[in-house]
Amino acid sequence: EAQVTQNPRYLITVTGKKLTVTCSQNMNHEYMSWYRQDPGLGLRQIYYSMNVEVTDKGDVPEGYKVSRKEKRNFPLILESPSPNQTSLYFCASSQSSGVNYGYTFGSGTRLTVV
Amino acid sequence: AQSVTQLGSHVSVSEGALVLLRCNYSSSVPPYLFWYVQYPNQGLQLLLKYTTGATLVKGINGFEAEFKKSETSFHLTKPSAHMSDAAEYFCAVSASGTYKYIFGTGTRLKVLA
Repeated sequence: EAQVTQNPRYLITVTGKKLTVTCSQNMNHEYMSWYRQDPGLGLRQIYYSMNVEVTDKGDVPEGYKVSRKEKRNFPLILESPSPNQTSLYFCASSQSSGVNYGYTFGSGTRLTVV
Repeated sequence: AQSVTQLGSHVSVSEGALVLLRCNYSSSVPPYLFWYVQYPNQGLQLLLKYTTGATLVKGINGFEAEFKKSETSFHLTKPSAHMSDAAEYFCAVSASGTYKYIFGTGTRLKVLA
């Protein structure tokens, strides 16, 4: 089944403790992206990747890192999480770097930073 | 630069009534337009998209949307609401040759029995 898999689904952590949210897709998509969803703000792009070893900042990149060493994987790293990073995170992929095909989304990771 | 505005953060309709969710966009180049649906505790699912060609686009679950360039709109409609349509709906805009993909703030649809 074609899908984007994120792990974990739920995560509670403490301020400053490094964490990684994994994302993997099995569709050989070139383009991958991370979003955060907050009430009233919709989805805001954190980082995106056009292909292996090619990444760029989205609209809200502060406090996050990403890497794209393999085509299928695009982990999101929070090196020193803070409470304002409490949010619902989505990974998504698309077969076209122009994203005109639309995204396939993962099921989300709900992160709470205390 | 692109932007998208969804009018109405909450919309309620009776079961069987017309569903109309509004989306207006701004784009300096010809846009690609999308509607996504998000059910509780799930990721977003693509409902339909407009890239080029026919301006009336049909999607899944009986939804359709019409691209109106003169009105810079891409409203989502469904002739008859079903209880299972209760969800949050997001409009999004992208543009050819860019990596930018902008989502609206979402409209939560409630269907009343």
